[in-house]
Amino acid sequence: DVKVTQSSRYLVKRTGEKVFLECVQDMDHENMFWYRQDPGLGLRLIYFSYDVKMKEKGDIPEGYSVSREKKERFSLILESASTNQTSMYLCASSNQFAKNIQYFGAGTRLSVL
Amino acid sequence: AQKITQTQPGMFVQEKEAVTLDCTYDTSDPSYGLFWYKQPSSGEMIFLIYQGSYDQQNATEGRYSLNFQKARKSANLVISASQLGDSAMYFCAMREGQTGRRALTFGSGTRLQVQP
Repeated sequence: DVKVTQSSRYLVKRTGEKVFLECVQDMDHENMFWYRQDPGLGLRLIYFSYDVKMKEKGDIPEGYSVSREKKERFSLILESASTNQTSMYLCASSNQFAKNIQYFGAGTRLSVL
Repeated sequence: AQKITQTQPGMFVQEKEAVTLDCTYDTSDPSYGLFWYKQPSSGEMIFLIYQGSYDQQNATEGRYSLNFQKARKSANLVISASQLGDSAMYFCAMREGQTGRRALTFGSGTRLQVQP
């Protein structure tokens, strides 16, 4: 079974803090993704990576950066957290062939106070 | 314009009955894929079913089937014999283009509640 692991289920941070969300997958997938989920808006893509050190902006990259130094690990960084970044963050991975099915982690619920 | 539209914010169904969750999509790419995911209250997104744009038959996975109407650009999820454990958020998603370096675009979701 594919396993995508997010480092924290719940995080509480203060405005202005630098926040790291970590994601690890164990299926040797080339693609990894970070989404943000807000009520009524579905999932919105923040960034994705299709290879080590490669990244592409999604629909809402402002205020975020990412890092992919190893194939299995994809980090989302909030350089200076703000209250409007309070949300559920979901990581996913997929291969680059067949159906491109994305497999998700359990999510991190981040509160910025 | 919305690429994925789910018009039903919430649905109720009686246990053991069938239910259809609506999804329409918008793309000009002839090659695409359509996905349905389930999100229980625990938060994890669970893949349910996939339909490719060139697939001749509607996809089925156990109690889940996808009613794919290409000309109408609709990809409705049908759940047969609903169970209490089917209560969850359901998201329709689309991959545009061939497989490879592709992300998915998600709809806003439908909350399904199965009543005993």
